[in-house]
Amino acid sequence: GESVGLHLPTLSVQEGDNSIINCAYSNSASDYFIWYKQESGKGPQFIIDIRSNMDKRQGQRVTVLLNKTVKHLSLQIAATQPGDSAVYFCAEKRMDSSYKLIFGSGTRLLVRP
Amino acid sequence: DAGVTQSPTHLIKTRGQQVTLRCSPKSGHDTVSWYQQALGQGPQFIFQYYEEEERQRGNFPDRFSGHQFPNYSSELNVNASLLGDSALYLCASSQPDGETQYFGPGTRLLVL
Repeated sequence: GESVGLHLPTLSVQEGDNSIINCAYSNSASDYFIWYKQESGKGPQFIIDIRSNMDKRQGQRVTVLLNKTVKHLSLQIAATQPGDSAVYFCAEKRMDSSYKLIFGSGTRLLVRP
Repeated sequence: DAGVTQSPTHLIKTRGQQVTLRCSPKSGHDTVSWYQQALGQGPQFIFQYYEEEERQRGNFPDRFSGHQFPNYSSELNVNASLLGDSALYLCASSQPDGETQYFGPGTRLLVL
């Protein structure tokens, strides 16, 4: 069925390295995507978003890339820090269901000191 | 500027009891959405409230109901709670005509 999913459930990186978290979506009608970070015991925290008319968007240390041809979304974190350790979710909003966000199952990022 | 707040932080109920959770949106936001997050999974959309009306509903039974007040705060009610309702309940708010949803810390519900 239609879903937003992630390729890797757990990603372990060395502190200072760059991290790449991937996400696949299956509905070409999706027009808005968000990355959230969720630390243990907390609610999801907004990181960055991108609309379907864009291929790339940059924030502070983070970059989101959108490849509509293969329905793929990625989050790149530069110079990964211990405080980046968390579960990362991508979420999509579809034009045919205007208000709800559809989340994937998440990727856990572990940063090794 | 306070973000989204939720109460209580934790709640323990016995199967069959009614549950009421509360949410205050971020300042300037008028839309409130509720999500259920089971352990190890992504949040699942329950419903969204706008102008004190349920605007959209996810795939949840009628035991789940809500309300939005004139000050934009919201309640989530669960009638006849089941063991399977145990989860983290998240509230998210957004600006008028805004798409980005900002989440609160959640209420951890345990049904015994």
